[in-house]
Amino acid sequence: DTAVSQTPKYLVTQMGNDKSIKCEQNLGHDTMYWYKQDSKKFLKIMFSYNNKELIINETVPNRFSPKSPDKAHLNLHINSLELGDSAVYFCASSQASVTYNEQFFGPGTRLTVL
Amino acid sequence: QQQVKQSPQSLIVQKGGISIINCAYENTAFDYFPWYQQFPGKGPALLIAIRPDVSEKKEGRFTISFNKSAKQFSLHIMDSQPGDSATYFCAAKVALGGAQKLVFGQGTRLTINP
Repeated sequence: DTAVSQTPKYLVTQMGNDKSIKCEQNLGHDTMYWYKQDSKKFLKIMFSYNNKELIINETVPNRFSPKSPDKAHLNLHINSLELGDSAVYFCASSQASVTYNEQFFGPGTRLTVL
Repeated sequence: QQQVKQSPQSLIVQKGGISIINCAYENTAFDYFPWYQQFPGKGPALLIAIRPDVSEKKEGRFTISFNKSAKQFSLHIMDSQPGDSATYFCAAKVALGGAQKLVFGQGTRLTINP
């Protein structure tokens, strides 16, 4: 039933560690996104993939590396975690061919770096 | 240029009252203006959206008013209910290749008092 799912929901880790967040969508969409929501609730796009091709790459540290093995999956790997990486990360998907389409968001992964 | 400014940051309204949230933008390349609703611990979900060639869109108790010349748009929630208590984000979309980039406002935490 879940349209966009993310794992894990919570991630607590130490500074310097490497971690991954996984995202899957079963909506048949061809475009997926990663957003970061900071402690003030500000939502900012990080990356977007269309048909497994990276098409949006905002000014994100290169410690963040997205990977899209297929259209239904978009994972986010973070190297050498820093305190400032603590946030909620949302995955979203949409269908690019629909002009005024909707982006469907996952439930979020709350990352806490200690 | 790609900012969307949202106000107020927080809003408290009595049950049955009208909640009004305002947004302003600069980039004339934006071509779609959605509002997202986010409950605690959940991802944002599309509430209502408007195209820039329309001045008003109403869906139930929710209305978007759009002023293209002023580059402003607002969300009105009529007969506000406690269940409407959530964080609301305005957004503006710009097409980038095969992706659609959403630029979000800063969010408004709405509280409806019973």
